[in-house]
Amino acid sequence: AQKVTQAQTEISVVEKEDVTLDCVYETRDTTYYLFWYKQPPSGELVFLIRRNSFDEQNEISGRYSWNFQKSTSSFNFTITASQVVDSAVYFCALSEKNNNAGNMLTFGGGTRLMVKP
Amino acid sequence: DSGVTQTPKHLITATGQRVTLRCSPRSGDLSVYWYQQSLDQGLQFLIQYYNGEERAKGNILERFSAQQFPDLHSELNLSSLELGDSALYFCASSVGPGTNTGELFFGEGSRLTVL
Repeated sequence: AQKVTQAQTEISVVEKEDVTLDCVYETRDTTYYLFWYKQPPSGELVFLIRRNSFDEQNEISGRYSWNFQKSTSSFNFTITASQVVDSAVYFCALSEKNNNAGNMLTFGGGTRLMVKP
Repeated sequence: DSGVTQTPKHLITATGQRVTLRCSPRSGDLSVYWYQQSLDQGLQFLIQYYNGEERAKGNILERFSAQQFPDLHSELNLSSLELGDSALYFCASSVGPGTNTGELFFGEGSRLTVL
């Protein structure tokens, strides 16, 4: 069975600090997809990134970067020079290819990030 | 704006009642998914439809049902409501039936409060 663990339930930083959100996953499949979503106070889920299990290249998008390491089953998310607008709950999620549920995502418990001015 | 539209945004009802949540997927998306976000259970997959057919079921209660109509919009019906059904219900859509066929975009959610 698949499982996603976000051990950090809450992180508080001061603006301009870098912050890393941890995500550890469990799956028996060799082909799977990993996601990060942002949930701001308004409540919607905003898609940030999707990676497949064969692509271990780290990715950078502006102030966001992702470190995928299959050896440790981790897919960590770093925000550089954090801003108050980054305050949100961030979810890591996993989807296995070889299930019948297509895009059935298993979500972690989320990490609440608070960026203080 | 993800392009996924959910109505109503907020709903307050009483125990034992029945409600219907509606979702319009992004233009061109054939798959619709329903997720429930509650304090107790976190974000959980409920059910998926692809082009009108049920594709997969997750932790959906028997009191809940869903369907996808020919115009691809979907409805989630919740009946015999209990206090524990209070949650944020998300609809999401994607182009194809599987994870490898596109990103999954979520609507803003329908917040259900059962009193």
